Amino acid sequence: EPEVTQTPSHQVTQMGQEVILRCVPISNHLYFYWYRQILGQKVEFLVSFYNNEISEKSEIFDDQFSVERPDGSNFTLKIRSTKLEDSAMYFCASSPGQGSGAFFGQGTRLTVV
Amino acid sequence: AQSVTQLGSHVSVSEGALVLLRCNYSSSVPPYLFWYVQYPNQGLQLLLKYTSAATLVKGINGFEAEFKKSETSFHLTKPSAHMSDAAEYFCAVSRKTSYDKVIFGPGTSLSVIP
Repeated sequence: EPEVTQTPSHQVTQMGQEVILRCVPISNHLYFYWYRQILGQKVEFLVSFYNNEISEKSEIFDDQFSVERPDGSNFTLKIRSTKLEDSAMYFCASSPGQGSGAFFGQGTRLTVV
Repeated sequence: AQSVTQLGSHVSVSEGALVLLRCNYSSSVPPYLFWYVQYPNQGLQLLLKYTSAATLVKGINGFEAEFKKSETSFHLTKPSAHMSDAAEYFCAVSRKTSYDKVIFGPGTSLSVIP
């Protein structure tokens, strides 16, 4: 069964460093998303992406964040200068649309030290 | 704006007992509704979804949910709990557009007692 894959599964980075989280969405899906889950808290929407542009972003998704679909298969989330409070599980998701729901990857646990 | 509330951040049931996890949504028009499950240290798995067809929706692992517009509810049930059902369960909502994001409720942690 097709699935969303995310790499790495765990990333440790120093505060102020740039990180890139990578995702390969399901191949025939058109809509892509990033979410994050701070330990013990709810799953929060960050950004949605369609037709090579951001379709919606939350207030969490500030200028430190960016997304890109560089080659038609990968979907990346970049955090330019990480802060301690960026430590969280980051989930990538994709959807074919029309109420199908979003299909999530296993997540990348980001730890900022 | 859409939102989801889940009554009870933690629910404990005995093995073999009925599982009932409550979800209420707030939306100006009936939305799409979903239940996701998250096992420890894993991702989010779609259990079932309501997209305005049948109001009683069956999902994986024996779970089902009923959409009740009059109560703005979408409660999740399973007749007989199994130890492997212990997990975090999230109710979620999205607007009826092609691309709309899924908004998650706060989650309910289900424990199953042997």
